[in-house]
Amino acid sequence: GAGVSQSPRYKVAKRGQDVALRCDPISGHVSLFWYQQALGQGPEFLTYFQNEAQLDKSGLPSDRFFAERPEGSVSTLKIQRTQQEDSAVYLCASSLTSLFGEQFFGPGTRLTVL
Amino acid sequence: AQKITQTQPGMFVQEKEAVTLDCTYDTSDPSYGLFWYKQPSSGEMIFLIYQGSYDQQNATEGRYSLNFQKARKSANLVISASQLGDSAMYFCAMRETNSGGSNYKLTFGKGTLLTVNP
Repeated sequence: GAGVSQSPRYKVAKRGQDVALRCDPISGHVSLFWYQQALGQGPEFLTYFQNEAQLDKSGLPSDRFFAERPEGSVSTLKIQRTQQEDSAVYLCASSLTSLFGEQFFGPGTRLTVL
Repeated sequence: AQKITQTQPGMFVQEKEAVTLDCTYDTSDPSYGLFWYKQPSSGEMIFLIYQGSYDQQNATEGRYSLNFQKARKSANLVISASQLGDSAMYFCAMRETNSGGSNYKLTFGKGTLLTVNP
């Protein structure tokens, strides 16, 4: 069966550009997470969806970051007016249940802001 | 304070030997879960093993075992019979079950880069 997929795998943006990163979770998974992984660091939590509801966005670093999951499946992480410090790998994960379920990760999108 | 500490930035092991990757954690929750993930150069985080705070036995999954010492707040990963394909970054992570409702978040350490030499 298909795992979590993310696109694009690599994105280069000029400072100030807007970017959109897509996540396709495993079909039927209720929960969806976004994490940011800076170079040489572990992933850090950004936001959490249960179906289409964004229940936690406490990890989003600024109001330039916005995530949505309008139909409870595919999710998009949007970054407006990108800055160099936004350069990182953005990982998406999904889990079958809303609590305690194992999180399955996608391959990530590596964003480089020049 | 760091919730997850991995003190080994890099480790080397000879093929077929065992290796232990260290992880200590900090929580005041009585109920929590500890995870190890492998991240090869392709970038995907691969789940390896899970230990619940109330589990009586140390978790094992094939060549992976978790040396859980609750009083010392350590959850070291032991990989037996290392293979070349084990070369990757390894992350320890924790989920705090009673953390004010946000009991879905994983908190990761900084990782350990394991290199298996032939």
